[in-house]
Amino acid sequence: SQQGEEDPQALSIQEGENATMNCSYKTSINNLQWYRQNSGRGLVHLILIRSNEREKHSGRLRVTLDTSKKSSSLLITASRAADTASYFCATGDTGRRALTFGSGTRLQVQP
Amino acid sequence: GAGVSQSPSNKVTEKGKDVELRCDPISGHTALYWYRQSLGQGLEFLIYFQGNSAPDKSGLPSDRFSAERTGGSVSTLTIQRTQQEDSAVYLCASSQDRGTGELFFGEGSRLTVL
Repeated sequence: SQQGEEDPQALSIQEGENATMNCSYKTSINNLQWYRQNSGRGLVHLILIRSNEREKHSGRLRVTLDTSKKSSSLLITASRAADTASYFCATGDTGRRALTFGSGTRLQVQP
Repeated sequence: GAGVSQSPSNKVTEKGKDVELRCDPISGHTALYWYRQSLGQGLEFLIYFQGNSAPDKSGLPSDRFSAERTGGSVSTLTIQRTQQEDSAVYLCASSQDRGTGELFFGEGSRLTVL
């Protein structure tokens, strides 16, 4: 099964609301990253959090990491219609060189 | 160029034909990855190149798939005797880091096998 599993699979909210997506993983990691993918496009890196960090902010994004629960969350505050996209978490495992991606959360922000 | 470039952007082929997909990474990036994404799904790791080290081929789904990276730069993913289940978007990414740093993705090559 996929290393990173996002939850929920799909999320629909109104503009201005906050969106929270969760990611669970199974093995020991060096870091966890979040990526965004607009429909039909490649992925774009959003934020990286290292295994010794608990929280990180970037603009309207807030990422938390709980290594004891092997989980992470991505919070997008004050969402905009332009935030509509799929969001993927990816883990950098200690025993592997390539990132492992989850199946993603499809976010729809209604204007 | 400034970003990762992939070609072709779209490829339609008949079952049984061979296809080649090309990836031009960001200049200076030593790591190069191939992933596959089926419609509405996550990314499936295929292969990883890092400098002159032996590639990590652990994600290749069958021996019909192969990839090479010439001169530490351009990479070609080859699929022989294509099957309908090979239809997907093939994404290439490159990275400066040795391992699991930030990846920069191309726009992908959409392969349709009829």
